[in-house]
Amino acid sequence: NAGVTQTPKFQVLKTGQSMTLQCAQDMNHEYMSWYRQDPGMGLRLIHYSVGAGITDQGEVPNGYNVSRSTTEDFPLRLLSAAPSQTSVYFCASSYSLSGRKPYNEQFFGPGTRLTVL
Amino acid sequence: RKEVEQDPGPFNVPEGATVAFNCTYSNSASQSFFWYRQDCRKEPKLLMSVYSSGNEDGRFTAQLNRASQYISLLIRDSKLSDSATYLCVVTTWVSGGSNYKLTFGKGTLLTVNP
Repeated sequence: NAGVTQTPKFQVLKTGQSMTLQCAQDMNHEYMSWYRQDPGMGLRLIHYSVGAGITDQGEVPNGYNVSRSTTEDFPLRLLSAAPSQTSVYFCASSYSLSGRKPYNEQFFGPGTRLTVL
Repeated sequence: RKEVEQDPGPFNVPEGATVAFNCTYSNSASQSFFWYRQDCRKEPKLLMSVYSSGNEDGRFTAQLNRASQYISLLIRDSKLSDSATYLCVVTTWVSGGSNYKLTFGKGTLLTVNP
C-alpha cells in the first residue's frame, strides 16, 4: 500500500491564484481530513469527510473548498490564494471516527509546503 | 482554557536521561487520547494510545488522569533517535454530530544530545 499520498510537495503561488492540493489513500478509509500546520499554532483542521459525498467544515475552513466524490480522493481547493494561507498542509485518513470506533490511528500524508507571495 | 495544552518546551536532555511531557485538556467529555511523534519537516505518526489504566511500550509510558484532565508521556533512557516533536491528541464527540473531533496540542520539541 502507498498509504496517503499528497501532491505537489512544494508549491509557490501568487496572491489571487487558485489551485488544488491532491490527496489520495489506498487503505479504504472512510474518514479523511485536511490540516494546516503553522509555527506556534499546531495542527488545525480545515475540512473533513466521513465518507464519499459527505464533507464538513473544521476549525479554519475559510478560503478552502473540498469534495469527496470517491472513497480514495479528497482534494483541497484554494479559491483565491492569500499570503495568510502560506503553510504546510497535511492530509490524513483513518478507518472511521464513528461512534463505534473512536480509537483509530490517523495516517498522514507527507505534506504540501505552500508559499503564497 | 485552550482545548489541549502542552508543555511549551523545548526540552534538551542528554542521552540516557528520563524526560516527561505533560498535556491538559479542557473538555471533560473527551473520549480518547494519543501521543503522536513528528520528525522535522515530516508528517506526524502515532506513537501510542493512552489508556485509562496507563500503558507502556518499551521505554515509553503514557498515563491518563481523567479527574485532573491530564495526560503524560514518560521517555526513559533517551536515545538520539527520540529527538522529535511530541504531539498530544484528544478526541471528543461532536455534539449533535455523528463523529469525533481530533484536537492537537501545539507540540513539545525534544532534543536528545550526545
